[in-house]
Amino acid sequence: GDSVTQMEGPVTLSEEAFLTINCTYTATGYPSLFWYVQYPGEGLQLLLKATKADDKGSNKGFEATYRKETTSFHLEKGSVQVSDSAVYFCALPFYNQGGKLIFGQGTELSVKP
Amino acid sequence: ETGVTQSPTHLIKTRGQQVTLRCSSQSGHNTVSWYQQALGQGPQFIFQYYREEENGRGNFPPRFSGLQFPNYSSELNVNALELDDSALYLCASSLTSGAGSTEAFFGQGTRLTVV
Repeated sequence: GDSVTQMEGPVTLSEEAFLTINCTYTATGYPSLFWYVQYPGEGLQLLLKATKADDKGSNKGFEATYRKETTSFHLEKGSVQVSDSAVYFCALPFYNQGGKLIFGQGTELSVKP
Repeated sequence: ETGVTQSPTHLIKTRGQQVTLRCSSQSGHNTVSWYQQALGQGPQFIFQYYREEENGRGNFPPRFSGLQFPNYSSELNVNALELDDSALYLCASSLTSGAGSTEAFFGQGTRLTVV
């Protein structure tokens, strides 16, 4: 069945460091792909998305490119800030239905000043 | 535009009891999905409601049930609570049309503790 695998955390970086969080997926067809972020004590917020192969989603300095050849959707940011400390989830929809999502296990990011 | 709101924010129940969680969908959305997020895990899909009917269900037992109302708000009911039901319950709303579904927007969640 469809699935999402993320790199395990926690990831600890210094401010202004480069961030990569790996995400690979198994799916039928070419679904949309999402990154969600969860700040401490809060629900999930949609960070960015890509709807087809080779699309690049971007938001708040974060980027992710939909790579069908490697079935990956890695999240990157060139210079992280303390305020980026959160848990990041990669997700794909069941049968390309946006409301029904399969999530990875999450990667906790901690950014130190 | 109002976002997704959930109530209550926190809840403590005793094993064997029943609980009802509530969700108001984002303005303009007609579909509500519920997720369970155990500590340190990713959210797990429970079920989705569209047009007041269940529209897909994850791997959860029948004691997890729901409703959707004409205004698109929704309830999640859990009977015979077990300790393992302790989790953050997330509601997400989206818009379903003939073209498919939009991305989901989440509420802040209800933290349920079963003792």
